[in-house]
Amino acid sequence: DIQMTQSPSSLSASVGERVTITCRTSQSIKTFLNWYQQKPGQAPKLLIFAASTLETDVPSRFSGSGSGTDFALTISSLQPEDVATYYCQQTYLFPAFGQGTKVEVK
Amino acid sequence: QVQLVQSEPEVKKPGASVKVSCKTSGYTFTNFGITWVRQAPGQGLEWMGWISTYNGNTNYAQKFQGRVTMTTDTSTNTGYLDLRSLTADDTAVYYCAKGRPGGEQWLQSWGQGTLVTVSS
Repeated sequence: DIQMTQSPSSLSASVGERVTITCRTSQSIKTFLNWYQQKPGQAPKLLIFAASTLETDVPSRFSGSGSGTDFALTISSLQPEDVATYYCQQTYLFPAFGQGTKVEVK
Repeated sequence: QVQLVQSEPEVKKPGASVKVSCKTSGYTFTNFGITWVRQAPGQGLEWMGWISTYNGNTNYAQKFQGRVTMTTDTSTNTGYLDLRSLTADDTAVYYCAKGRPGGEQWLQSWGQGTLVTVSS
């Protein structure tokens, strides 16, 4: 199995601040990595697929990067509506999700 | 527009089975498989498996092998998740999801979730 380590598990940042969440895998997954946003009481929402492709209608302040074993989701300027839990998902072998990162606004 | 509408919440006793449905509309059903993901209360997302709506091929997470069956009904554009031998650890919200063009696991559209509670 591919082990996934997502960090941090939670963070608090100010509005306008740059936020980065990382996802590391135990073996290379090339760019088979997606990012989701989940707000309380809602289903997850696809933000980024194939490591760096922004899903339609997702604000451009979200970006994804990385390949191989190290990936990042960056919010360039945190907004109040970005309060959510963010999950990475590898789809190289049996798909699996990271543990999640809860993002709060100070 | 694409919609995935899931069945109502369920309460089951330990040892029982549950069948969750996912009725789809707004796209050609057999062009995209259905993925099932669950989320225990306060916990993260857990990928359960995927079924091809084209030929019925399945890919189950190892954890659920032998206890889960995913099926589809192309006459009603509906997917089903059947989970047997339930325990309290199966208490979760169960989601169905559909991929986007180019990637079955780029989960673009999701159902609203079905809460399954396992309690004696």
